[in-house]
Amino acid sequence: QKEVEQDPGPLSVPEGAIVSLNCTYSNSAFQYFMWYRQYSRKGPELLMYTYSSGNKEDGRFTAQVDKSSKYISLFIRDSQPSDSATYLCAMSASSYSGGGADGLTFGKGTHLIIQP
Amino acid sequence: NAGVTQTPKFRVLKTGQSMTLLCAQDMNHEYMYWYRQDPGMGLRLIHYSVGEGTTAKGEVPDGYNVSRLKKQNFLLGLESAAPSQTSVYFCASSRSGRVGELFFGEGSRLTVL
Repeated sequence: QKEVEQDPGPLSVPEGAIVSLNCTYSNSAFQYFMWYRQYSRKGPELLMYTYSSGNKEDGRFTAQVDKSSKYISLFIRDSQPSDSATYLCAMSASSYSGGGADGLTFGKGTHLIIQP
Repeated sequence: NAGVTQTPKFRVLKTGQSMTLLCAQDMNHEYMYWYRQDPGMGLRLIHYSVGEGTTAKGEVPDGYNVSRLKKQNFLLGLESAAPSQTSVYFCASSRSGRVGELFFGEGSRLTVL
C-alpha cells in the first residue's frame, strides 16, 4: 500500500495564527517524511525532512512524526501572508528516491491561505 | 545558477500529436526525474534516470518515453498525445538520489485537446 491522505483544503487562517497541516498514511514501512511548499504556478520546494518519529524545528516551522498513529504534522507559527501556498507531504520507506515500492509517495496537498 | 529549467512552460496539443519536454539542470546532479501533477492527485513518478545513458520506469510510464543522452538533460516524449495526458509536468534532479534532495523545476503545463 502506498496511500497517503491529505485534506486538500482550502484552509484559511488569519495572519499570526498557528497553522496545523496533517497527513495520514497506511504503509507502516514509511520512515522518511518530507514537507514541500508549492507556490501557485511553481515547482515544489523542500521545507522539512525528518527520519522516523519525533519533532524537527526550523524557524517558524515544526515537523512532527507519530509513526504509531501513522500521522505526520507541520506546524507554522506566526503565519504570514507569504506562507500562502499548497503544502505537500511526501514519504518513503527508503532513503532512495527512485521508482517502485521504495519510491516517494506524495499527498494531494493542502491549499493554505493566510489572510492579512 | 538556474537550477532546473523546463521548456516549454506551456503547450497545447491535439490528440495524436507528438512533442518533447526538455529538462536541463546545471547542478551536475546524477539523478533526474519526471513527475506529473493532476488535480486531486499527488505527484506521480513517470520515469527517472540514475545517470547519463540510463532510464527507468516509474509509477505511470505508459504513453511516455525518455532519454538521457547528456548528464544535464532529461527529455520526456509523448509519441501520440491523449487527453488523459493533460497535466502539469515537473522535472526534478538530485545529486545522490536520496529522498529529501529533490530540486524541482517550475513545471510545464500541457493541454491535449
